[in-house]
Amino acid sequence: DAGVIQSPRHEVTEMGQEVTLRCKPISGHNSLFWYRQTMMRGLELLIYFNNNVPIDDSGMPEDRFSAKMPNASFSTLKIQPSEPRDSAVYFCASRVGSYYGYTFGSGTRLTVV
Amino acid sequence: GENVEQHPSTLSVQEGDSAVIKCTYSDSASNYFPWYKQELGKRPQLIIDIRSNVGEKKDQRIAVTLNKTAKHFSLHITETQPEDSAVYFCAATFNFGNEKLTFGTGTRLTIIP
Repeated sequence: DAGVIQSPRHEVTEMGQEVTLRCKPISGHNSLFWYRQTMMRGLELLIYFNNNVPIDDSGMPEDRFSAKMPNASFSTLKIQPSEPRDSAVYFCASRVGSYYGYTFGSGTRLTVV
Repeated sequence: GENVEQHPSTLSVQEGDSAVIKCTYSDSASNYFPWYKQELGKRPQLIIDIRSNVGEKKDQRIAVTLNKTAKHFSLHITETQPEDSAVYFCAATFNFGNEKLTFGTGTRLTIIP
């Protein structure tokens, strides 16, 4: 079991550029979550999917953020255009079902300059 | 609304002593309560969890207690060791039927040798 796989591990981009973060959940897990972590705001849920369907995107900061899950083994989080305040660590997590803990990926450290 | 409060935000404990971290939650329907440990620069990792049909669960030096009436739960670490130094997050489920975890703000635990 390779765990939840995220790419890239680090991303440095200029303000205004498009950023795409990628996640491969654990095979057999039917829920996928995108979190953002900052010192000021802690762990914030951005969006989550059940069986590839977006369930709750109320945590997505604004229209610049979008997420997709075209199949059970892949999800993307896109920021367009990026801004310095988007700098954070973005975690993807998956779980096998309700009332089970999440397994987190290693995260993507995003820096927007 | 969905809210998990965690205290204290920082905790320093002499090696060998016990550490206790407390959390309260707002939704009486919550019924799954995991705890995560995050070492510096790494992903959050599940260390123990409890479901609402039990009041206490123990795993070696770690234990979690749950009081559903008061809507609070606690993490207890006994015989602390330097490798216990990390940030600990509690979490609780919300949105019955499409459960998602809301995390507390974290406790930075430092074990003093």
